[in-house]
Amino acid sequence: DAGVIQSPRHEVTEMGQEVTLRCKPISGHNSLFWYRQTMMRGLELLIYFNNNVPIDDSGMPEDRFSAKMPNASFSTLKIQPSEPRDSAVYFCASSLSREETQYFGPGTRLLVL
Amino acid sequence: SQQGEEDPQALSIQEGENATMNCSYKTSINNLQWYRQNSGRGLVHLILIRSNEREKHSGRLRVTLDTSKKSSSLLITASRAADTASYFCATAALYNLFFGTGTRLTVIP
Repeated sequence: DAGVIQSPRHEVTEMGQEVTLRCKPISGHNSLFWYRQTMMRGLELLIYFNNNVPIDDSGMPEDRFSAKMPNASFSTLKIQPSEPRDSAVYFCASSLSREETQYFGPGTRLLVL
Repeated sequence: SQQGEEDPQALSIQEGENATMNCSYKTSINNLQWYRQNSGRGLVHLILIRSNEREKHSGRLRVTLDTSKKSSSLLITASRAADTASYFCATAALYNLFFGTGTRLTVIP
């Protein structure tokens, strides 16, 4: 298995632009997580999906952030409009079930100018 | 906050020495997990210890869990330069993983 796949690996955009981050979880995993990592706040859970359904999005910073999981093999995290403070590394992780080991993707390093 | 806190924040040792990192947390957990992150890379899962376990081994890694003290330790024996990374503990309650701020380990060849 290729592991969790994220794209793009790096994204540089200007303030106000829409940013879409993509994630392909490990096949067979039914739980998917989006995290954000910054120096100031460390790793934070943004949203958790179980069987493609968003279960907890309380970590999503504000309405500018949205996430979807249209099927078991694909998820997106969208920021619209983006702001400089959104600059961070965004990780996607998947697991067999919600309490089991989470396997992380390589992350998307986002820089909003 | 349920967030785990690692101690020390940074650790520098010579290759071949053992490295011990500690994690403390505040609430009840289902399990506790340790992850490693190399600079600029994603997190790699190292080991998971459940709340009813006290000790677990995986290769050169040894993890202990004391739920009465709400603490865990990660021991890396016979360290190698390749072990240089940041190590995070993550406490799991339901589905949420709460990550600590990490211990930065540097192994000097």
